[in-house]
Amino acid sequence: DIVVTQSPLFLPVTPGEPASISCRASQSLLHSNGYTYVDWYVQKPGQSPQLLIYLGFNRASGVPDRFSASASGTDFTLKISRVEAEDVGVYYCMQALQKFTFGQGTKLEI
Amino acid sequence: QVQLVESGGGLVKPGGSLRLSCAASGFSLSDHFMSWVRQPPGKGLEWIAYISSRADVIKYADSVEGRFTISKDNATNLLFLQMNSLRAEDTAVYFCRRRDHWGQGTLVTVSS
Repeated sequence: DIVVTQSPLFLPVTPGEPASISCRASQSLLHSNGYTYVDWYVQKPGQSPQLLIYLGFNRASGVPDRFSASASGTDFTLKISRVEAEDVGVYYCMQALQKFTFGQGTKLEI
Repeated sequence: QVQLVESGGGLVKPGGSLRLSCAASGFSLSDHFMSWVRQPPGKGLEWIAYISSRADVIKYADSVEGRFTISKDNATNLLFLQMNSLRAEDTAVYFCRRRDHWGQGTLVTVSS
């Protein structure tokens, strides 16, 4: 099974400053079709998770452009260019190449 | 407007069974890959099962393989999760999920 390791687990940030979250997979998530099967979600307090990024680096509909992501075969990064108060929540990466596996989650706090 | 509404959660004794439902609206289940994800109280997300748009590909997490069954009824646009031989560690909020939309979740508590 593919293991996904996320870091850091806690991320204190200052509004207006950048933030970065990393995930590492135990094997490449690059499919032979050219797509990288990693998504990013955020779960804001008291809410269901919502999709931020799909297939490695594609912003979901309605996601602000301060969110971006990069993907190599096994290393993935979610970046927030300037954190806002509404970004507080737990961020998860998820691999979807073989079954699905979520990372442990990163709690972003202001 | 896409909407997913789960139901069927509740309190059940260890060894018991429950059937969760997820009512989809605003789109057709026959066109989408769907999954169930759970979240134990205060913990992270755990994927447990998915079903392809044509129901020809079904996969389960090792933790529920042989005990849980995912299915759907395209005519009524309902997704199901049949849960048997429930254990205390199955206690969680259960979400149905399309890639870009999640339901609000339904709580399953397994306790004697």
